[in-house]
Parts: sequence; structure tokens; C-alpha cells
Amino acid sequence: AQSVSQHNHHVILSEAASLELGCNYSYGGTVNLFWYVQYPGQHLQLLLKYFSGDPLVKGIKGFEAEFIKSKFSFNLRKPSVQWSDTAEYFCAVNAGAGNNRKLIWGLGTSLAVNP
Amino acid sequence: SQTIHQWPATLVQPVGSPLSLECTVEGTSNPNLYWYRQAAGRGLQLLFYSVGIGQISSEVPQNLSASRPQDRQFILSSKKLLLSDSGFYLCAWSVGARSNQPQHFGDGTRLSIL
Repeated sequence: AQSVSQHNHHVILSEAASLELGCNYSYGGTVNLFWYVQYPGQHLQLLLKYFSGDPLVKGIKGFEAEFIKSKFSFNLRKPSVQWSDTAEYFCAVNAGAGNNRKLIWGLGTSLAVNP
Repeated sequence: SQTIHQWPATLVQPVGSPLSLECTVEGTSNPNLYWYRQAAGRGLQLLFYSVGIGQISSEVPQNLSASRPQDRQFILSSKKLLLSDSGFYLCAWSVGARSNQPQHFGDGTRLSIL
């Protein structure tokens, strides 16, 4: 069965530290990959997405992610985090065929950035 | 631009009472619509999705049902709530014609069952 694994459930960093959140998926076909972010008290919003082309994608707020097909990974990175990056981060994979493809979600990573 | 509205934001209901959560989308036609439940540390669980009026797919057996009476309206219901139905419910939409598009979420409903 298709699945998405986020390796870190809770991450605590100090401001200006670098961030990398891991995401691996299990599906052998064509995938579309997403990272969503949920700031405290706010709705889920799209951070970045990969459909095709350059495997290094840039999103909002200085985030980027790299799709490594051979590793089935789509890790999220930011070179220098800010206190305002404190949030929950979800990796999701859209896999399958036809109009009934569904997003498969990781369990999320809670990031706390200390000022 | 497209917007999604979900209400109520919070709801407290007694066990055994009925439920109706509503979600509407504006600014797009024939969207795919989704209901999720989000639990702390457990990510998002897809409950229902719909690709058109009257078309509902259920992902997990449960005490809830969904309906899509209009193109941009998606309703989550229950005839008799259970304690285990407590949680945070999210509605989402995506462009219907292209299934690889990202989903856009509402603000969610916090449901507490007493």
C-alpha cells in the first residue's frame, strides 16, 4: 500500500539554525509531491509542490525541497529558520491514476523554533 | 479568486445527537471536495471525497456520512454522534479536471462530543 513517512515527529531548533525535514514515500509510479504547513491557529496551506522538471523546488518563505526519485524522498529544507516558522509540517503524495487519485499524508512534523 | 468556507468553527454536541457540518467553495466550478479528520500526531485521515454532485466515496467505515447536494457544497453528517467522533474536521477542494492539483483547506471545525 502507498504510504508517506515523515521521520521526525518533533523538531526543536534555535533561530538561524538550518532545517531539514525528511519525507519518504512508497509508490513506484508517477507521483506529485507536496509540503503543507499549518501555523498555530491557522488552516493548512501549501508550502511547495513538485509535479515534474527541476527536482529542486522552491516554495514560499524561503523553503525548498528536493525530489530524489531513486530514494523516494522529498525532503524539506530551509537554510536559516525564524521563530515564525514554528508550525506543523506535512508531506503529502498524490499517487495513482485517473481523477480519483488521492493525497496520501505523512503524520506531520511539529517544528518549534526558539528565539 | 477561490475561497472555501467551513462552519461552524467549533461545535459541542452531546452523544447521540445529530451532526451537520457544511463546506462551500466559491470561485470555481466542479471542484473535487474532501472531508478529513485531523488528530494530533496522527496526520490527516481522509474520510470522504467527491468528484461531482451526488458522487461520494467513503474511505473508512465509520459513523459519519457525506453528501454533495450542489456543485460547491459538501456536507458531513451523522445521525447519532459517538464519543469517538470528537476531533478536528477539515474540508478541502482541488481543481476537479486535473487530479494532480494541490488541495486547499478550510479553517476546520473543532467538534467535541460530551
